[in-house]
Amino acid sequence: EAGVAQSPRYKIIEKRQSVAFWCNPISGHATLYWYQQILGQGPKLLIQFQNNGVVDDSQLPKDRFSAERLKGVDSTLKIQPAKLEDSAVYLCASSLDSAWTGGIFGQGTRLTVV
Amino acid sequence: AQSVSQHNHHVILSEAASLELGCNYSYGGTVNLFWYVQYPGQHLQLLLKYFSGDPLVKGIKGFEAEFIKSKFSFNLRKPSVQWSDTAEYFCAVNTAGTASKLTFGTGTRLQVTL
Repeated sequence: EAGVAQSPRYKIIEKRQSVAFWCNPISGHATLYWYQQILGQGPKLLIQFQNNGVVDDSQLPKDRFSAERLKGVDSTLKIQPAKLEDSAVYLCASSLDSAWTGGIFGQGTRLTVV
Repeated sequence: AQSVSQHNHHVILSEAASLELGCNYSYGGTVNLFWYVQYPGQHLQLLLKYFSGDPLVKGIKGFEAEFIKSKFSFNLRKPSVQWSDTAEYFCAVNTAGTASKLTFGTGTRLQVTL
């Protein structure tokens, strides 16, 4: 089974620059999640999509973060402008439906903001 | 809102030693419980999960966990660890039902020495 694909794997940017991450979930998975994992912490949910609609974005810093899943498949997460505290691994996960039964995670994108 | 505590941040064991990693959650209602493992450079993988039924859950690679409702705990165990078990382990919980948010603990880094 193909996994959740994410790109890029690594990104280094200066503060105040913008950056975008891409995620391709498991084929047929309706639900897609973006998590932020800061060093030394567990992953924190940023946003959850059901098909192309947002289910939960309560922990997304909307002044600088945005995400979309236009056709209900791929998704992009953008940060503009980036801050030093945004340095983290950004994980994408998908599940067959909205009830989380374990999910499949991608390898993540490690962002370093300098 | 639910929260998850993993009190052991870094555990060092010799091969063949027994392992128990603690996980406590706070939520008064029905929960689903998960343990994930992240090997160096790899994505998060599901080790095991508990939804209902037998509170002793067996997962992959010889891991098991016991749900003790009265203690709000879901500790991970393995009778004899191997060097290849070196990884970071995350406990996670969500409330039963659809579209519920998954909350992770801060993780426990396990280092197994030869």
